Amino acid sequence: AQSVTQPDIHITVSEGASLELRCNYSYGATPYLFWYVQSPGQGLQLLLKYFSGDTLVQGIKGFEAEFKRSQSSFNLRKPSVHWSDAAEYFCAVAPFSGGYNKLIFGAGTRLAVHP
Amino acid sequence: NAGVTQTPKFRVLKTGQSMTLLCAQDMNHEYMYWYRQDPGMGLRLIHYSVGEGTTAKGEVPDGYNVSRLKKQNFLLGLESAAPSQTSVYFCASSIDRRIWEQFFGPGTRLTVL
Repeated sequence: AQSVTQPDIHITVSEGASLELRCNYSYGATPYLFWYVQSPGQGLQLLLKYFSGDTLVQGIKGFEAEFKRSQSSFNLRKPSVHWSDAAEYFCAVAPFSGGYNKLIFGAGTRLAVHP
Repeated sequence: NAGVTQTPKFRVLKTGQSMTLLCAQDMNHEYMYWYRQDPGMGLRLIHYSVGEGTTAKGEVPDGYNVSRLKKQNFLLGLESAAPSQTSVYFCASSIDRRIWEQFFGPGTRLTVL
C-alpha cells in the first residue's frame, strides 16, 4: 500500500540553525512529491513540489528538498531557520490512479523554534 | 478576493445531532474537497467534487454526505454526529485535477460530545 512516513513527530531548533525534516514514501514507482506547511489556525500551503528531473527542488520561504530514489526519501531543508518557520510540516505523495489525482499525507512534523 | 472560506469556525455537537459545514470559494475553481485532520494522522480526504452537481467518495466517507449545487459552494453534512467525528475539517479547492495546487480554507473545529 502507498504510504508516507515522517519519522519525527516534533523537532525543536534554535533560530538561525539549519533544519532537515525527513520524509520517506512507499510506492511502486516514483510518485509526485510535495511538502506543505500549516501555520497555527491555518490551512495547508504548498511549499514545493517534485515531478521529475533535477532532484533538488527549491520552494517558497527559502526551503528546498532533495529527492533520493535509492532511499525513497524526500527530505525538506532550510539553511537558517527563522522564528516565523514554527509550524507543522506535511510531506505528501500523489500516486496517479487514472482518475482524480489523490494526495496521501504523512502524519506531520511539528517544528518549534527557540529564540 | 476571500479565497476559500468555511462556516462555522467552531462547533460543539451532542451525539446524534446533525449539522452542515459550508465551504465557499470565489476563485471559480472546478474541484473542491473536504478533509478531516486528526492528531498524528495528517489529512484524510472525505469527499470531493469535480464540478457543479458532482460528488464522489474519498478515503473516509462514512458518516458524511456532501452536495455541490452551486459551483462556488461545497457542503459537508453530518446526519447523526458521533464522537469519532470530533476533528478539524478543512475545505480546499483547485482549478483543475492538479490536487496539489489546492487552496485551503482556515478549518472548522468540531467537537462531538
